[in-house]
Amino acid sequence: DAKTTQPPSMDCAEGRAANLPCNHSTISGNEYVYWYRQIHSQGPQYIIHGLKNNETNEMASLIITEDRKSSTLILPHATLRDTAVYYCIVRLLFYNQGGKLIFGQGTELSVKP
Amino acid sequence: ETGVTQSPTHLIKTRGQQVTLRCSSQSGHNTVSWYQQALGQGPQFIFQYYREEENGRGNFPPRFSGLQFPNYSSELNVNALELDDSALYLCASRRQGSTDTQYFGPGTRLTVL
Repeated sequence: DAKTTQPPSMDCAEGRAANLPCNHSTISGNEYVYWYRQIHSQGPQYIIHGLKNNETNEMASLIITEDRKSSTLILPHATLRDTAVYYCIVRLLFYNQGGKLIFGQGTELSVKP
Repeated sequence: ETGVTQSPTHLIKTRGQQVTLRCSSQSGHNTVSWYQQALGQGPQFIFQYYREEENGRGNFPPRFSGLQFPNYSSELNVNALELDDSALYLCASRRQGSTDTQYFGPGTRLTVL
């Protein structure tokens, strides 16, 4: 199983960009990088995913390095409501039915006024 | 996309009892996964159901079992409850397909005394 490494915590000033790094050096060619976040005691919320190209949606941008060994989630204008634990996940495939999600410890992002 | 619901919200049981947790998948989603999240940890994959059959399982003992119904609702059953089973139990649903995104419900908080 490909593993991910994330810093345990980060701070960000409200209104500034939050850049959350993730290392996934053992990722294989057919595995996607997914990002979820979890606000205290709620279910994880899907943010974005990508394979090898950079991706952007209404919530965030995902930058994946050319060698695919690391990625960065960018929240362009962080707000207090973005305070959460952010999980970087490599999506395993099995039984050709899509795969389980392996969560690590995540990064606890604190957005401060 | 949203719409995964779980019941009950909270539950208290005593050691040795049995518990059933319920999940209603988002409309159009025919694959459901269950996760256990202990306090301070990331969610851990329990198993996945597709077409009413289990087709993937994490490192959990057989006393954790599940059912998926034709309307794509599902149940997680845990027998012989242990204190360490105290956790947030999450279900996640998606359409069948190797890259379809999983969407999580709000979870059921189980406390075993």
